[in-house]
Amino acid sequence: NAGVTQTPKFQVLKTGQSMTLQCAQDMNHEYMSWYRQDPGMGLRLIHYSVGAGITDQGEVPNGYNVSRSTTEDFPLRLLSAAPSQTSVYFCASSYGGAQETQYFGPGTRLLVL
Amino acid sequence: AQSVTQLGSHVSVSEGALVLLRCNYSSSVPPYLFWYVQYPNQGLQLLLKYTTGATLVKGINGFEAEFKKSETSFHLTKPSAHMSDAAEYFCAVSLALSFGGYQKVTFGIGTKLQVIP
Repeated sequence: NAGVTQTPKFQVLKTGQSMTLQCAQDMNHEYMSWYRQDPGMGLRLIHYSVGAGITDQGEVPNGYNVSRSTTEDFPLRLLSAAPSQTSVYFCASSYGGAQETQYFGPGTRLLVL
Repeated sequence: AQSVTQLGSHVSVSEGALVLLRCNYSSSVPPYLFWYVQYPNQGLQLLLKYTTGATLVKGINGFEAEFKKSETSFHLTKPSAHMSDAAEYFCAVSLALSFGGYQKVTFGIGTKLQVIP
């Protein structure tokens, strides 16, 4: 099993550009989520999905869009990049219950100039 | 609402010394509690978790944590630090959403552990 994979590993954008961060998992997990990690702030939930076609907002959803057309994939779209979106982005997946372990991808480091 | 407080964003210990990383939580109902570890330039991975049952939980690499309901704490300990323990450690609480019982996870800000040779 590859687990949770993310691409790209690193990206530089200019303000106003758009891009999609890819996330895929091969564990047949129902629940997938996107977090951003910033120094001194821990991980903050951006969006999550509880199955194909079902998504919801997390703590910091503004400026980001998601969709989930398959169980395996959960891409995160930046609509118009801003310097405040410079961060490290992690995708995670789990079976969904409150007691379940989340499995994290290796992260995407994004720099917005 | 749930919240997590990790005291000390940076902790330094000598190799062979006790490691103690503190975590306190706030929750309206008993939560599930997790410790995750993040090595440099990697994603987070599970160290240990408390769901039900025994309040002393053992994890990987010799770490353990004790759930103390009266103190709303879930501190992480290891008797003897190794150089390989240098990493960032995150405490997290998880509750069930009213919709479908899916997890709502809140992470602490993290504690960076430095191990001095």
